[in-house]
Amino acid sequence: DAGVIQSPRHEVTEMGQEVTLRCKPISGHNSLFWYRQTMMRGLELLIYFNNNVPIDDSGMPEDRFSAKMPNASFSTLKIQPSEPRDSAVYFCASIFRRGARTGELFFGEGSRLTVL
Amino acid sequence: GENVEQHPSTLSVQEGDSAVIKCTYSDSASNYFPWYKQELGKRPQLIIDIRSNVGEKKDQRIAVTLNKTAKHFSLHITETQPEDSAVYFCAASPSGGSNYKLTFGKGTLLTVNP
Repeated sequence: DAGVIQSPRHEVTEMGQEVTLRCKPISGHNSLFWYRQTMMRGLELLIYFNNNVPIDDSGMPEDRFSAKMPNASFSTLKIQPSEPRDSAVYFCASIFRRGARTGELFFGEGSRLTVL
Repeated sequence: GENVEQHPSTLSVQEGDSAVIKCTYSDSASNYFPWYKQELGKRPQLIIDIRSNVGEKKDQRIAVTLNKTAKHFSLHITETQPEDSAVYFCAASPSGGSNYKLTFGKGTLLTVNP
């Protein structure tokens, strides 16, 4: 398997523009997570999905952020409008969960976003 | 929600020495504690994990200990090598049902000097 695939790897945009980050989880995984990483705040969980359904979006900073998972093999994280403080590395991660067991969370390579 | 504190934020050791990173957590419902290693510019990757029904787990040069009463767990790396240099993250999560939410510590930058 190719692992979790994210695109774009790097994005530079201007304040006010819309940004869409994409993620393809590992085939067969049933939970998907979006994390944001900054020096100041570390790895923050933004939102996660179980079986394509959003379970917890309490980490989404504000209404400018939205995430969707239309099917088991694709998810998007959208920022509209973007602001300089959104500059960070955004990681998508996926896992296969069966009942109560928790296993390894597999991360993508990340999307480095710079908002000027 | 869960709060994970990690110390130290930076750690510098000489090659061959041991390194210890400590984490505390707040939610007594947490029962799964993984450690991730992130090399510069790369993705975080799992190196070892422990569940609350055991107190210690070892895998070659790395080991993790867990004290559920005190709500803290630690990563131990022995005989450190330059390739161990990376950022290490601890995390905690309650497992079971849909309540899976991995909360990470802020990370420890480990530098192993040759």
